Order: sequence, then C-alpha cells, then structure tokens
Amino acid sequence: GENVEQHPSTLSVQEGDSAVIKCTYSDSASNYFPWYKQELGKRPQLIIDIRSNVGEKKDQRIAVTLNKTAKHFSLHITETQPEDSAVYFCAASMAGGGADGLTFGKGTHLIIQP
Amino acid sequence: ETGVTQTPRHLVMGMTNKKSLKCEQHLGHNAMYWYKQSAKKPLELMFVYNFKEQTENNSVPSRFSPECPNSSHLFLHLHTLQPEDSALYLCASSQLNQPQHFGDGTRLSIL
Repeated sequence: GENVEQHPSTLSVQEGDSAVIKCTYSDSASNYFPWYKQELGKRPQLIIDIRSNVGEKKDQRIAVTLNKTAKHFSLHITETQPEDSAVYFCAASMAGGGADGLTFGKGTHLIIQP
Repeated sequence: ETGVTQTPRHLVMGMTNKKSLKCEQHLGHNAMYWYKQSAKKPLELMFVYNFKEQTENNSVPSRFSPECPNSSHLFLHLHTLQPEDSALYLCASSQLNQPQHFGDGTRLSIL
C-alpha cells in the first residue's frame, strides 16, 4: 500500500519568513495530493491540492509543487502570519481523491514566532 | 462550516460497553469515510463507502462495525473496545474525484 513520509515534524519560523514542508510517497499510481491544516481542537481543513498532471499550483501565499519522478511534493507558505500556526498534513491517493481513502503523513507542527 | 456533522463530540466508555458514533453530511456527496487520529500518528483510514456500499476496509478489527444506511449518514458501532482505541474519530465526505471534507470528530476515551 501507499506510504507517505513528511518532514519536518516541527518547524519554527519568524513571522514574515517562508515555510516549506516536504512529503514523499511510495506508490507511483497515486495521482492526487492534498494538504490539510488542522488547528488545535478543530477539523482538518483542505488548504490546497494538486493532481499529477500539473507540477505546481499557487493560491495567494500558499503553493504546492510536485515532482512525479522523485515522488516528492512540497508545501510552500510565504509571508507567514501568526494565524498560519497549526499542524499541516500532506496526503496521497489514487482515483483523484474521490471514493478513495487518503494516506496521510504524520504532520508538521508549524510555529510562527512573532 | 457545518457541512459534515459528527455526534457526539466526546464519548467516554468502558471496554464492555456498546456505543455508536454518528456522521451526517449536508453537502450532497456520494462517498463517506471514517478515519482514526491518534497522538503522534498519521490519520489512518478505516472505512470507505461509495453510494452506500463499502468499498474499503483498511484491516480494521471487527470490534468496529460501520453502517451506511444512505449517502448522507454514516455510523460507527463500537463494542468491546481496548484502551488503544482511544483517539479522535473523524468522518469525511466527498463527491467523486473531489476533495474530502472533514467533520469535527468524536473524541473517544476508553476506560
């Protein structure tokens, strides 16, 4: 089955700096890669996703890059703000994420230092 | 956002009790999922239902029994649980080939 590795487990950055979280996956058949943000005591919320037919996707301060050859994808957050502090999870699946379970990484606790 | 609603939010039960978790989605989605979130572990997929039919059982012990009476409702029946089953149980739903939306979860504690 699919295995997703996520690094680092904790990331502390100064407010205004950029943050990068990296994930690797094992199953070359995976074609859908979402990122979720989970604040303490709250539900995971989708912040951005990418499908295997594109290499990069951007939404304001958030971007995701995908390298299918290396089976590697990354989340980039620029101009970090205090409200970006949360746990971020990467995931992978086949079938575009619909009616197909997600395999998650262990999560990255992002801390934005004021 | 209240698209996916889970009840109860918290549940404490003994190992010999029987209880059920409920999930309801108001998004018109066709697929529903149960995940388990334990401390220091990734979210683990438990079950997948598509159009009320179970399409995936991720080697979950039989003390967890899912039920999906229609595309809007999903239950997780619990009996004879173990202390290691204490976790946050998250329900999600999606339209085919679209992102999954999560509920707030049920925090389960086994005494």
